[in-house]
Amino acid sequence: DADVTQTPRNRITKTGKRIMLECSQTKGHDRMYWYRQDPGLGLRLIYYSFDVKDINKGEISDGYSVSRQAQAKFSLSLESAIPNQTALYFCATSSGTDTQYFGPGTRLTVL
Amino acid sequence: GENVEQHPSTLSVQEGDSAVIKCTYSDSASNYFPWYKQELGKGPQLIIDIRSNVGEKKDQRIAVTLNKTAKHFSLHITETQPEDSAVYFCAVTPGNEKLTFGTGTRLTIIP
Repeated sequence: DADVTQTPRNRITKTGKRIMLECSQTKGHDRMYWYRQDPGLGLRLIYYSFDVKDINKGEISDGYSVSRQAQAKFSLSLESAIPNQTALYFCATSSGTDTQYFGPGTRLTVL
Repeated sequence: GENVEQHPSTLSVQEGDSAVIKCTYSDSASNYFPWYKQELGKGPQLIIDIRSNVGEKKDQRIAVTLNKTAKHFSLHITETQPEDSAVYFCAVTPGNEKLTFGTGTRLTIIP
């Protein structure tokens, strides 16, 4: 987990606020992902990026945007947070071998 | 898209006994099948994986079996220990690194 870090680890915000979650990795991987975890629903892919100039929508991208500032950094933004975006958010990386390495997660609560 | 079903959603096992978790998938093109373990407050960690050209893979007390014809694969944990208590996720991908996850199994080892 130390190779993939996420900030903040916990965040409470109000409806309508803009929120940014940040992910950094020291694994040297090109590929980065953002997932959302909800009880009973597993992990669902929000966005992914295969290199700095590449951004792709995942399964549930509505209401979210991302920025790949560098190979090592991938940020997830909620432009106007709503309560049903309350969830655990995970960043992951991979080197192109299918195996993904996850960060420790950010617990987001939208009131 | 790919659909992954995971069963059971909860499983309680006496310490020392075996645990089996099963996943079924829909896309016959899927060729990579990892299993992740998520401990409380942490991100998922890969514990074992298998590719479609192999029917079984073992790593100490953990094994994964794959039946491509029936489109299902299973995680087997033998001689369970308290530290095996966690949530386990299966996942599949057709090799494009977009993992589709199962909904998770909460495994509890009873001392």
